[in-house]
Amino acid sequence: DGGITQSPKYLFRKEGQNVTLSCEQNLNHDAMYWYRQDPGQGLRLIYYSQIVNDFQKGDIAEGYSVSREKKESFPLTVTSAQKNPTAFYLCASRPRIVAGVADTQYFGPGTRLTVL
Amino acid sequence: RKEVEQDPGPFNVPEGATVAFNCTYSNSASQSFFWYRQDCRKEPKLLMSVYSSGNEDGRFTAQLNRASQYISLLIRDSKLSDSATYLCVVSTPGTASKLTFGTGTRLQVTL
Repeated sequence: DGGITQSPKYLFRKEGQNVTLSCEQNLNHDAMYWYRQDPGQGLRLIYYSQIVNDFQKGDIAEGYSVSREKKESFPLTVTSAQKNPTAFYLCASRPRIVAGVADTQYFGPGTRLTVL
Repeated sequence: RKEVEQDPGPFNVPEGATVAFNCTYSNSASQSFFWYRQDCRKEPKLLMSVYSSGNEDGRFTAQLNRASQYISLLIRDSKLSDSATYLCVVSTPGTASKLTFGTGTRLQVTL
């Protein structure tokens, strides 16, 4: 089946540890995104990538890092520098890049990260 | 002022009712608009894109008013299964890649 997968669904981490969240898509989408969602807040963009081997910071990139070595994969590392990492993390992808057009984004099922 | 503003609700309506949500956006240069639906503890899913001419998909109708910078979503004949949070989403001007999400309006449809 085509789609976006994220693993794990639930993740618990001790304070001070780095952790990597997986995001894979087999939709042949060009662009991929990472968001976090906190209760009562809208989705906030962490990082995005429009093409392999390139990525840009979003609105709240501090304490996070990403890589885009393959078109299908866009892992997110939550580092110990992230002050408040407990949140629902959502990965999304978009089919194509067309100048001046914001095309629809499709989301994976999310990873719920809890820092103990 | 938030870039995208929505009434958080909840809107409690009986089955069969018609309910409307509005969303306002601050940047007049925004070009693309969407409504997403998000169930509790799940990912957002695209409900519909919003076009200048308005568009309808079954019981759902979306309208865009560029002059007043608001978007609306009308749900007719509400079903229990419509209970969810509805997210208003607007493109970020200046880039084709970024979207700005509202905090969502919660709808609860009851018997």
